Amino acid sequence: NAGVTQTPKFRILKIGQSMTLQCTQDMNHNYMYWYRQDPGMGLKLIYYSVGAGITDKGEVPNGYNVSRSTTEDFPLRLELAAPSQTSVYFCASGNGGMVNSNQPQHFGDGTRLSIL
Amino acid sequence: GQQVMQIPQYQHVQEGEDFTTYCNSSTTLSNIQWYKQRPGGHPVFLIQLVKSGEVKKQKRLTFQFGEAKKNSSLHITATQTTDVGTYFCAGGAGANSKLTFGKGITLSVRP
Repeated sequence: NAGVTQTPKFRILKIGQSMTLQCTQDMNHNYMYWYRQDPGMGLKLIYYSVGAGITDKGEVPNGYNVSRSTTEDFPLRLELAAPSQTSVYFCASGNGGMVNSNQPQHFGDGTRLSIL
Repeated sequence: GQQVMQIPQYQHVQEGEDFTTYCNSSTTLSNIQWYKQRPGGHPVFLIQLVKSGEVKKQKRLTFQFGEAKKNSSLHITATQTTDVGTYFCAGGAGANSKLTFGKGITLSVRP
């Protein structure tokens, strides 16, 4: 099992450009997440999905879009890149929790994105 | 909304010393998870605590969930250089809820 695979690992964008960060998982998890991590700020949830065809906003969704056409793939789209979107982006997946517990999240290696 | 706080954000210890860090939630949690992120790496799940007062051990790491399910602690006995990294706690409300991550504490260990 490859787990959660993110591409690319690094990218430099110019202001105003667009790009898609790819994320795929082979664990048949129904839940998938996108986080951004800025120095000293922990992990901020951008968008998440509870299954194919269903997506929802997290804490910091502005400037991003997602889609979930299959269980495996959850791409993150930046339409008009801005310097404030310079960050490390992590995709994660997991199964839905039981009544009192969330399931562990499995993270990809991250995409380091710089916008200049 | 729910907030999960980890203070301080950095701690430096001498190898062999014990280390304890705390995680506090603004609301009662159904469960709490701990993750470790090595420098340059990605968060890796360590453990989940569900029951009030629950204590779990992983080798030199001891995790505890508070009686009121609003706080948690991580204790490392006799730190080693392999313990270096950032430790995140994440609070969950169970089932279909999202996890709320704390900002993490970055541990450095002097050999």
